[in-house]
Amino acid sequence: ILNVEQSPQSLHVQEGDSTNFTCSFPSSNFYALHWYRWETAKSPEALFVMTLNGDEKKKGRISATLNTKEGYSYLYIKGSQPEDSATYLCAIVGGSGATNKLIFGTGTLLAVQP
Amino acid sequence: DTGVSQDPRHKITKRGQNVTFRCDPISEHNRLYWYRQTLGQGPEFLTYFQNEAQLEKSRLLSDRFSAERPKGSFSTLEIQRTEQGDSAMYLCASSLNPRQPYGYTFGSGTRLTVV
Repeated sequence: ILNVEQSPQSLHVQEGDSTNFTCSFPSSNFYALHWYRWETAKSPEALFVMTLNGDEKKKGRISATLNTKEGYSYLYIKGSQPEDSATYLCAIVGGSGATNKLIFGTGTLLAVQP
Repeated sequence: DTGVSQDPRHKITKRGQNVTFRCDPISEHNRLYWYRQTLGQGPEFLTYFQNEAQLEKSRLLSDRFSAERPKGSFSTLEIQRTEQGDSAMYLCASSLNPRQPYGYTFGSGTRLTVV
């Protein structure tokens, strides 16, 4: 059974703080890792899809790194803003055959205080 | 095309009642997924359609659950004889090629509360 773990479960920071979250996953048979941002009452929004060991991706103040050999990914937010408040989910592409279903972690809930 | 639509957004039902949710995927997407998220958990895979064929079902999908995707367009998820444990957010996602970056598009979900 594939298991994806995220830490911390929740995080409260002040506006302007930088923060990071961790996603751990089985390193064997890795194909791809997705990061999503999910704000209340909205759809999960895709942030990054990462496939190669050593990948680094950036989107504005948010960046992510991937280590497939040791099975972890970090998501960084520089200078957090209140609008960054959301649940951040990571997921690996799992399953055999052609399903390509996502296996999610439990998420990190970020609250940014103005 | 405005993305993946789910209806209703919220549903409150009494235990034992049947409920049906609808998902309208992005029109050219041939793949459709249902996930369920309960409190404190990440979304969990329920079932997958490629066009109209249901190709995979999770063991989470008990006999009370049934999903269809007639004509390979919209999909419905029905829960019969609802139980309190069915209370969750039900998410739908569609994809043309999940191996492409940003290959999945999610709807905003249907929140089910069973009282």
